[in-house]
Order: sequence, then structure tokens, then C-alpha cells
Amino acid sequence: GEDVEQSLFLSVREGDSSVINCTYTDSSSTYLYWYKQEPGAGLQLLTYIFSNMDMKQDQRLTVLLNKKDKHLSLRIADTQTGDSAIYFCAESIDNAGNMLTFGGGTRLMVKP
Amino acid sequence: GEEVAQTPKHLVRGEGQKAKLYCAPIKGHSYVFWYQQVLKNEFKFLISFQNENVFDETGMPKERFSAKCLPNSPCSLEIQATKLEDSAVYFCASSQNFWGYTFGSGTRLTVV
Repeated sequence: GEDVEQSLFLSVREGDSSVINCTYTDSSSTYLYWYKQEPGAGLQLLTYIFSNMDMKQDQRLTVLLNKKDKHLSLRIADTQTGDSAIYFCAESIDNAGNMLTFGGGTRLMVKP
Repeated sequence: GEEVAQTPKHLVRGEGQKAKLYCAPIKGHSYVFWYQQVLKNEFKFLISFQNENVFDETGMPKERFSAKCLPNSPCSLEIQATKLEDSAVYFCASSQNFWGYTFGSGTRLTVV
């Protein structure tokens, strides 16, 4: 079955890099996503990566995908206090219209 | 508009009462999804629609939950005879493709 796992908590200092990790079990995952959830808000799509890619960079965000180990990571460069939130990785398998399977979320705390 | 509008933001129901949640997807998005987020941040997929047709309802507790997406009306999620364990934040999302999910800010349902 599908299972997506993340560590619960990460604390970094402002200006440092943050690396949030995620593992998944379904090798037929087609797309992998990172979402950000701030308190009381919905989910904001940060970035996504196709399963045939190894890396994707978008401004301060770098996504690395290791298909062999089924490991996905999100690196946030120059982390700011506004980056404090819960970060969810998610996978989907089929094409448009398919459901997402989410990890349990990693709470990122950025200390000034 | 360019946001998924969910109403109400908060809903309190006594155990056994009915709860009805609404979602207006982004105009032009063909797919609508409902997810339930429980206290441990877990997201559970409930149901998805392609236009007004049910696309995937594998996550729905069918005996008490129902959902509709009718033309020219907001989508709705209805829970008959609510139970304490239905207390959660219910998120609606819409998309036109597999990477374009936009989530609403959720309806927090509290069953007392």
C-alpha cells in the first residue's frame, strides 16, 4: 500500500539552510509534491517534481529525488522566520484527477 | 476567482446532528477533491469529482457521508448524524491538472 513518512520536527536558525526529508513506499509514484501549511490556513503548493527527474530548483527551494531509495527532500536556502510552518510531502500515482497521499508533516521552526 | 472558497470557516454540531460544508472551486477547474485533516495532521482523502461526476470515492464513509458537485452550484460535503470522531478540518481542493491543486482554507468541524 501507499505510505509516506516524514520526521515530525525541525528547528533551524534564521539564515541557515533547512532540509526536510520524506520517504515513500509506492514505486509507481508519478509525481511528488511539497506543500506548506501555515496555522489556520490551507495548503500552499511549493513545488512538485516528476518521478523521472532527480532534482528541481526554484529560487530558494531545491528538491532532490532518489528513486532507488524512495527518498525525497526539500532544501530551503537562507531560511527565514516566515518559513516557519508545517511542510507536507505528497505523492500521486496516476494522471490528472488522482488523489494525493500525504506524509504526516514536518513542523519547521525558524529561530531568529 | 482564483481561490477555492470554503464555507463556513467553523461549524459546531451536536453529536447526531447533520453538517453540511460547501466548496466553490476555481472557475475552469474540472476536478474537485475533499480531504479530512485530523488532529495529528494526517490528511485522509475522501472523494474526488470530475465536473459533476464522482471520480474516486474510495475514502468516503458511505453510510453517513455524501458529496455532490452540481452545475452552477458550490460543491457540498454532507455528514448525516455526526460523531465525535468526525471533528476535523475538511479541505476542498480543485485542479485542472495533476500539479495544479489549489486548496481552500478549510472548514473546521467540531462535534460536541
